[in-house]
Amino acid sequence: GDQVEQSPSALSLHEGTGSALRCNFTTTMRAVQWFRKNSRGSLINLFYLASGTKENGRLKSAFDSKERYSTLHIRDAQLEDSGTYFCAAEAGNMGYKLTFGTGTSLLVDP
Amino acid sequence: NAGVIQTPRHKVTGKGQEATLWCEPISGHSAVFWYRQTIVQGLEFLTYFRNQAPIDDSGMPKERFSAQMPNQSHSTLKIQSTQPQDSAVYLCASSSRDRENTLYFGAGTRLSVL
Repeated sequence: GDQVEQSPSALSLHEGTGSALRCNFTTTMRAVQWFRKNSRGSLINLFYLASGTKENGRLKSAFDSKERYSTLHIRDAQLEDSGTYFCAAEAGNMGYKLTFGTGTSLLVDP
Repeated sequence: NAGVIQTPRHKVTGKGQEATLWCEPISGHSAVFWYRQTIVQGLEFLTYFRNQAPIDDSGMPKERFSAQMPNQSHSTLKIQSTQPQDSAVYLCASSSRDRENTLYFGAGTRLSVL
């Protein structure tokens, strides 16, 4: 079936630095969403992209359907950015049926 | 906006018992989704309602699992004769009619079957 490979599985950043998370897809996806699990355990929707890039504050995401990948860039990381991040992709004909990556556990330390 | 509300947050059942999980979508949202999260399988799609009608239940185990949406304000996921392998976090999500593919998730119900 469709696969979403997310990396890294864990990431540690010093406050103020940045990095990128990546999801590779084994097949062409129609769109991608990025989520962060908050302290209550809820998945918070960060981005929805059908193409191109979107930016929100210190977060920026890109999606390339043809090249089969998406990235989530975090700059100037803050302590409150710590948490688990998931990408989820939509296949072409069943957009509501998301296939999730395995998550990236991000720890931002002082 | 309280977001998607799921109850209970935690449920412990004995093997063979029934478990009913509740979801209240965001008011005005037309679509409701159920997902399951386990360590082994990650997040998996279970089923999907639009305007209370079941659209796709292809992710639901064929036996013992059923989902309903009797009105626009809540959906239930029922597991009969629970088994230890049903232990997971069950997540409900909803989305609006004009942005149906942007999902808003609840905090989930952690089901533990002993």
